[in-house]
Amino acid sequence: SQQGEEDPQALSIQEGENATMNCSYKTSINNLQWYRQNSGRGLVHLILIRSNEREKHSGRLRVTLDTSKKSSSLLITASRAADTASYFCATAPREGGGADGLTFGKGTHLIIQP
Amino acid sequence: SAVISQKPSRDICQRGTSLTIQCQVDSQVTMMFWYRQQPGQSLTLIATANQGSEATYESGFVIDKFPISRPNLTFSTLTVSNMSPEDSSIYLCSVTGQLNTEAFFGQGTRLTVV
Repeated sequence: SQQGEEDPQALSIQEGENATMNCSYKTSINNLQWYRQNSGRGLVHLILIRSNEREKHSGRLRVTLDTSKKSSSLLITASRAADTASYFCATAPREGGGADGLTFGKGTHLIIQP
Repeated sequence: SAVISQKPSRDICQRGTSLTIQCQVDSQVTMMFWYRQQPGQSLTLIATANQGSEATYESGFVIDKFPISRPNLTFSTLTVSNMSPEDSSIYLCSVTGQLNTEAFFGQGTRLTVV
């Protein structure tokens, strides 16, 4: 079943602007991950943040995690046309020792206007 | 990291028939996961496949409909049986290199049932 919600469901911005996507989840987690999917193809891992971390950076990506609110955000700075894709958050449960699959959010479809 | 080859990449099938999807990984992994992505939706975990044991199915998925094989540590198959148009989806296999780390995905199999 779906873990939670992502908002917005769709986001269209101008190239060069920043894009922020949010994700909420329901259960206790070991980590939260963000993935990108281009045109219904395979998923590409972007960044992983563990439950004891609050913020993480990778290049133009910034991820925050608030475990008290069970929410996360993904910020893409200085967006490019190539960033156009669907973005999904996914959680790994605290229990299970990593042997369980991921639970995905509903995703945000991001369109970068040139 | 892990490189996953998934075949076929797409297929159009008649209702009532079955399709077997293959997933080959370039390294030995303990857990392999199968996901379904219905049109315009997020990913939902179908089952977890361990080598040498029966696959573990998520709620709403049953072995008779989605039989899985895991003959060794680098290969798995998912069969979609007695297909109906509602089975039209993208099916993706996934592995994790180590527990509670990023997941790697195949490019997916886009299935259309007519």
